[in-house]
Parts: sequence; structure tokens; C-alpha cells
Amino acid sequence: NAGVTQTPKFRVLKTGQSMTLLCAQDMNHEYMYWYRQDPGMGLRLIHYSVGEGTTAKGEVPDGYNVSRLKKQNFLLGLESAAPSQTSVYFCASSYRTASPYGYTFGSGTRLTVV
Amino acid sequence: QQQVKQSPQSLIVQKGGISIINCAYENTAFDYFPWYQQFPGKGPALLIAIRPDVSEKKEGRFTISFNKSAKQFSLHIMDSQPGDSATYFCAAVQETSGSRLTFGEGTQLTVNP
Repeated sequence: NAGVTQTPKFRVLKTGQSMTLLCAQDMNHEYMYWYRQDPGMGLRLIHYSVGEGTTAKGEVPDGYNVSRLKKQNFLLGLESAAPSQTSVYFCASSYRTASPYGYTFGSGTRLTVV
Repeated sequence: QQQVKQSPQSLIVQKGGISIINCAYENTAFDYFPWYQQFPGKGPALLIAIRPDVSEKKEGRFTISFNKSAKQFSLHIMDSQPGDSATYFCAAVQETSGSRLTFGEGTQLTVNP
């Protein structure tokens, strides 16, 4: 099935541990995004990419790094996890404009940092 | 700094009623305003969208009303059904400077049978 696949779906980390979240899309989309979703705060953009080999900071980039070595993959890394990074993380992809097809989102990764 | 403000945070409606969710924005350069629907355990999905040169757009039971002078837009769900129970997000983007959507805080809608 075409779409955006995120792995893992759930993860519990201890403070200070590191991990990488993987996002893969098979729609040949140029743009990819990482958002975090927290209650009452909507979705906030962490980092995004407008093409293979490019990355840029979003609204809340601190504590995260990203890489886009292949067009279909976008990786989100946490070097030293903190409890404030407990959240649901969503990857999305799109064509070069948000209209008319919008973003295609993955089903999310629920991360708990203890 | 939230560039798109959404209200209410939660909404309970009886089956067959009208659900109304409101959003306001600051940046007059925004030129595309989509609404996303999210069910528990799923990612958001595009529901309906509007451009600021149109005052209203209707798709089935879902209608967006847009007031450019007030910098406000709203989603109306007519004949609300229990299956509409979900979280709704408004969003805005300035397409001339990339496709980065700015989302509102979200509204959790519950439609009681």
C-alpha cells in the first residue's frame, strides 16, 4: 500500500539514551517533514526536507537531528533523550506544494522518555 | 508563538447537530487553509481546504467559511454523526515560501448517538 511508514510505533527510552526514528514514503514526494504532537499544542514542525540531501529547521528543532540521504527516507535522531521529548512523532510527505493533495502522514511513533 | 489559534479545545455534539470549529490567523501572507481530521492511533488526513479568494467551500456535510478581513475561518459539520468523532486541526501555509503547514491546537469532537 502506498503511503508513509514509520518505525518503530512505540518506544520507551531512559533519559540520556539515543535513538533514531525512520520514515519511508513510496509516493515519490519531494518534501518530507517531522512533527511532534502534544496535547493542547497541535502539531509542531521539528525539521523538514525539500529534497534528497537537504534539511532545514522547523519550529522546535532543539535536541533533534535529521538526515535525508535517500529521497524516500527521512530519519529523525535524538542524541540524548530528555523527558520533555516524550511525545507522539509524525512523519509526513508532500509534493512541492501543500495543495491540492495535502500532506500524507504516517501513523506515528509514541515515544516515552523516563 | 502560535500563528494559528483554534477553538474550542473540545466539543460535544448530539447526533444530527451542527459542529462548529473556529480558527484565527495572524500572517496575511498565508494563502492556503486546509483542515485535517485525525482518528485515535492514526495520522491526520486532509479533509477539506480553501483559498482566501473564496468565502465558502462545501464538500458533502463539511463546509469551510472564510472571512479574509477578520483573518478567521471555520469548519462546519452538518448532520454530525458518531463516526465524525475525531480530532480536527486547522492549518495554514504560505505556498510561495514552501509547503510548511502551521497547525492550530486541535479540537477533539465527540458526537453522541
